[in-house]
Amino acid sequence: GAVVSQHPSWVICKSGTSVKIECRSLDFQATTMFWYRQFPKQSLMLMATSNEGSKATYEQGVEKDKFLINHASLTLSTLTVTSAHPEDSSFYICSARDYDREYEQYFGPGTRLTVT
Amino acid sequence: GQNIDQPTEMTATEGAIVQINCTYQTSGFNGLFWYQQHAGEAPTFLSYNVLDGLEEKGRFSSFLSRSKGYSYLLLKELQMKDSASYLCAVVDSNYQLIWGAGTKLIIKP
Repeated sequence: GAVVSQHPSWVICKSGTSVKIECRSLDFQATTMFWYRQFPKQSLMLMATSNEGSKATYEQGVEKDKFLINHASLTLSTLTVTSAHPEDSSFYICSARDYDREYEQYFGPGTRLTVT
Repeated sequence: GQNIDQPTEMTATEGAIVQINCTYQTSGFNGLFWYQQHAGEAPTFLSYNVLDGLEEKGRFSSFLSRSKGYSYLLLKELQMKDSASYLCAVVDSNYQLIWGAGTKLIIKP
């Protein structure tokens, strides 16, 4: 149980375009989902926390107009990187918190974004 | 502020034992996680401790001392596939995960 999927697993896009990444909890309801970014050889950096049906809470330094997060249902959250630039190239990982287990997060497999 | 410290890198020999330490200072405590992350992959769950003591799970064990703000992950009978980063994360009073920077473990034959 507690499986989280992400789609796509990798994507290459041109500078200036937008990319949408989906995060789904497959066998549980996730009231809260988290979006992380990880640059090579660095630790996870929390970008934002999204609760189902409400606006996401962004960490300091993360542009909310650039990284649009939607958490429309208990099993789906999306991250849209708008007007992507090469410096947005990174590994994006989502995690979901089980409604019944407040403290544990289950990670998706990650999405590698390369902006050319 | 909230802070989690763990060594940046450690090296060990195949077949040996290694202990990765983690110390923390957080606003509240609702448990501590250890995750393993191979290069280019997402983290995978290893252990969760909320009470003091040692939790053993196969070749991996995790220890917690809440009074000392300290935990360690013990890996026995090291295998080459154990080469990875090991992340310590604490659940604070708001049930948010506070992450350490991770310890890169290099296993040599």
